[in-house]
Amino acid sequence: NAGVTQTPKFQVLKTGQSMTLQCAQDMNHNSMYWYRQDPGMGLRLIYYSASEGTTDKGEVPNGYNVSRLNKREFSLRLESAAPSQTSVYFCASSDYGTPGYGYTFGSGTRLTVV
Amino acid sequence: QKEVEQDPGPLSVPEGAIVSLNCTYSNSAFQYFMWYRQYSRKGPELLMYTYSSGNKEDGRFTAQVDKSSKYISLFIRDSQPSDSATYLCAMSARPGGSEKLVFGKGTKLTVNP
Repeated sequence: NAGVTQTPKFQVLKTGQSMTLQCAQDMNHNSMYWYRQDPGMGLRLIYYSASEGTTDKGEVPNGYNVSRLNKREFSLRLESAAPSQTSVYFCASSDYGTPGYGYTFGSGTRLTVV
Repeated sequence: QKEVEQDPGPLSVPEGAIVSLNCTYSNSAFQYFMWYRQYSRKGPELLMYTYSSGNKEDGRFTAQVDKSSKYISLFIRDSQPSDSATYLCAMSARPGGSEKLVFGKGTKLTVNP
């Protein structure tokens, strides 16, 4: 019953450090997304990948990069972490076959940058 | 004007109450409407979805869409403490795939025993 798996679940970084958040889905979905969620701000789209081999910027892409490694995996990289990137990060996937055409979300990565 | 507006609450009700959660939107092209439920420290999960106007019922939950008013609602009957969560509305103009959903900011609901 995996769905969308995110690793790690928690991470503390020092300012300037880099890290990669991993996301994998086992539902054969074509589209994948990275969001951040902050209090009072709702979900904000960072990057998305409509299909394997394509990636596009979302609402808040600055400071992030992504890689669609294959159809299953979509990673998010912070090259030089800043305190403003402290947030909860969610990966999601979707496809024409998903119920209501909605997204399936992972359980999130809680990132703190000190 | 934001594409989707949702009152963040918080909303606190006694157990057994009828809860009404609402979103308004500005893009008349939206046709696919969803409600997500997000428990504390968890990812959002799809609760209900509707296409175009009308009602859809699933147990204690009813989703309602009024496209003429650009207004959607989620009703929870006989609310339970286990319904305590943040509820996010979401919508799109076209079905799935590469179509990005537009989310409301969520309404935090607490149902008190």
